[in-house]
Amino acid sequence: GAVVSQHPSRVICKSGTSVKIECRSLDFQATTMFWYRQFPKKSLMLMATSNEGSKATYEQGVEKDKFLINHASLTLSTLTVTSAHPEDSSFYICSASRGGGWENEQFFGPGTRLTVL
Amino acid sequence: EDQVTQSPEALRLQEGESSSLNCSYTVSGLRGLFWYRQDPGKGPEFLFTLYSAGEEKEKERLKATLTKKESFLHITAPKPEDSATYLCAVQARYGGATNKLIFGTGTLLAVQP
Repeated sequence: GAVVSQHPSRVICKSGTSVKIECRSLDFQATTMFWYRQFPKKSLMLMATSNEGSKATYEQGVEKDKFLINHASLTLSTLTVTSAHPEDSSFYICSASRGGGWENEQFFGPGTRLTVL
Repeated sequence: EDQVTQSPEALRLQEGESSSLNCSYTVSGLRGLFWYRQDPGKGPEFLFTLYSAGEEKEKERLKATLTKKESFLHITAPKPEDSATYLCAVQARYGGATNKLIFGTGTLLAVQP
């Protein structure tokens, strides 16, 4: 149980285009989902926390208008990178949990490799 | 500011050569400390959660321990398949109920046959 999937696993796009990444909890209802980005040989940096049906909470320094997060259902959250540029190239990982309380474990997806040309 | 530091950044071991990875943390009230394994191009895979100083957990060749300032991941007689990046993360009290995690930069472990 507690499986999280991401789609696509890899995406290559041209500079200036928008890219949508999906995160799904396959066998549980995820009230809270998290989006991270990871640069090569670096750790996971939390970008935002989203709760189903409400606006996402972004970490300091993360542009809300550039990284649009939608958590419209209990099994799906999407991250849209708008007007992507080469510096947005990174490994994006989502995680999902049954709730936002501290006792709820995060289950991680397999990640999406974004390359912006 | 809450912070997690892992050392060493990289570690190369011979198969069977035991060693330890370190995770030092400064956090305003620790709720839990997590260890994950991450293979290249994959998401983190959960290993352990530790909640209080003195706690220990084991899984196969791995053993995690926790003190008030740091955690160790001990690897006994490692095998090549243990090669991966090991990530440490802490869950802190933020004045409310939250399961937000702060990650360290990881230790890249390479076990040579």
